[in-house]
Amino acid sequence: EAGVAQSPRYKIIEKRQSVAFWCNPISGHATLYWYQQILGQGPKLLIQFQNNGVVDDSQLPKDRFSAERLKGVDSTLKIQPAKLEDSAVYLCASSLAPGTGDTQYFGPGTRLTVL
Amino acid sequence: SQQGEEDPQALSIQEGENATMNCSYKTSINNLQWYRQNSGRGLVHLILIRSNEREKHSGRLRVTLDTSKKSSSLLITASRAADTASYFCATRHDKIIFGKGTRLHILP
Repeated sequence: EAGVAQSPRYKIIEKRQSVAFWCNPISGHATLYWYQQILGQGPKLLIQFQNNGVVDDSQLPKDRFSAERLKGVDSTLKIQPAKLEDSAVYLCASSLAPGTGDTQYFGPGTRLTVL
Repeated sequence: SQQGEEDPQALSIQEGENATMNCSYKTSINNLQWYRQNSGRGLVHLILIRSNEREKHSGRLRVTLDTSKKSSSLLITASRAADTASYFCATRHDKIIFGKGTRLHILP
């Protein structure tokens, strides 16, 4: 079974530039998550999709971050414009369905450096 | 705010010894999960324990949950070099929240 795919693996940009990350979840997984992990900390949930609908985006900085999951499969996360504090690893995860028994499968992440 | 808080923040032990990590949380939960993260990689799910369970085993892993104390522990027995990683607890109620993690280093 193929895992969660993310691209790019690394990205370096200057502040105020835009950047986009792509995620392809495990086939058949209805739920998709985007996390931000700052160095030395645990992942912080940015947004959760159930199919192509948003379940939770309470911690997504909506003035600069946006995400979409067209057709309920692939997803993109965009930052525009980027700030220095956005430097982090952006992790995508997927699970069959939310609930008490779900297990999240994580991709390798995209390491973003904002200069 | 982060729900789970792991303790200790860092742990170094000799290969073959047992490693114990603790996680404390603040509010009621549906389940608690432990994940491992090797340097520069994504997280790998280790074990899930539901709020009505007290102990679970998986290979060399043993997880306990005490809902009255709002705490969980992860025990890795007979540690190996490959166990060197960061370990995170994640609590789920209406959403899943990760702690800051314990960095485990197994010395040869």
